[in-house]
Amino acid sequence: DGGITQSPKYLFRKEGQNVTLSCEQNLNHDAMYWYRQDPGQGLRLIYYSQIVNDFQKGDIAEGYSVSREKKESFPLTVTSAQKNPTAFYLCASSTQGQGKAGELFFGEGSRLTVL
Amino acid sequence: AQTVTQSQPEMSVQEAETVTLSCTYDTSENNYYLFWYKQPPSRQMILVIRQEAYKQQNATENRFSVNFQKAAKSFSLKISDSQLGDTAMYFCAFMKRNNFNKFYFGSGTKLNVKP
Repeated sequence: DGGITQSPKYLFRKEGQNVTLSCEQNLNHDAMYWYRQDPGQGLRLIYYSQIVNDFQKGDIAEGYSVSREKKESFPLTVTSAQKNPTAFYLCASSTQGQGKAGELFFGEGSRLTVL
Repeated sequence: AQTVTQSQPEMSVQEAETVTLSCTYDTSENNYYLFWYKQPPSRQMILVIRQEAYKQQNATENRFSVNFQKAAKSFSLKISDSQLGDTAMYFCAFMKRNNFNKFYFGSGTKLNVKP
C-alpha cells in the first residue's frame, strides 16, 4: 500500500544527544514536510522540501536539520541545540497542487521524549 | 500573518447525533483554501473536507459538511449521524492559494463520540 512510514514510533533521548527521525514515502510525491505537534497548539512547520537536494526552513527550524538525498526519504535530526525537543513529530507529503490541492498525506508520527 | 482559531478544545456528542465544530481565521488574502483534518487516536491524520474561498457553495463529503462564511471568516464543520469512528482530534487549517508549502493550523478540537 502507498503511504508514509515514520520510525521510530517512540524515542527516548538523553539531553545533549542528537536523534534522527526517519520518514519514507512511496507516493511519488515531490514535496515533503516535517511538523511539530504540541498539546494545545496547532501543527508548526519545521522544514519542508519541494524537490530532491533542496529544502527550506519553516517557522521553527532552530535546533533541527534535514536532508533530502532521495525523493522517497526526508529524515529529521533533532540536535542538542533544540531547547525543548519533547514533542510529537509528524512527517507529511503532498503533490504540490496536482490533484487535490492542499491535501497533505501524513505518517503516524514519532513521539520523542527527552529524559 | 494568518491565524486560525479553534475555540473549543474538547466536545462530546452522542452517537447518531449532529455536532458542529467551530473555526475562525484571520487573513487579508482573497484567494485561499480551508481544510478540516482528522487525527484519530494513534492513527494517521487525514483530510476530511476542503473549501475553496472563491466558491460560495459549502463543501460536503458524505456526513461531513461545512458552513463557510467568508465575510465573517468562519469555517465550521458539521458532522451528521456521528459514529464512534469519528472520535478524533479535528484541526482546521488555512492555505493561501498557490502556496502549497504554508499551512496554518488551529490548535484542534478533541471530539468524543459516546455510545
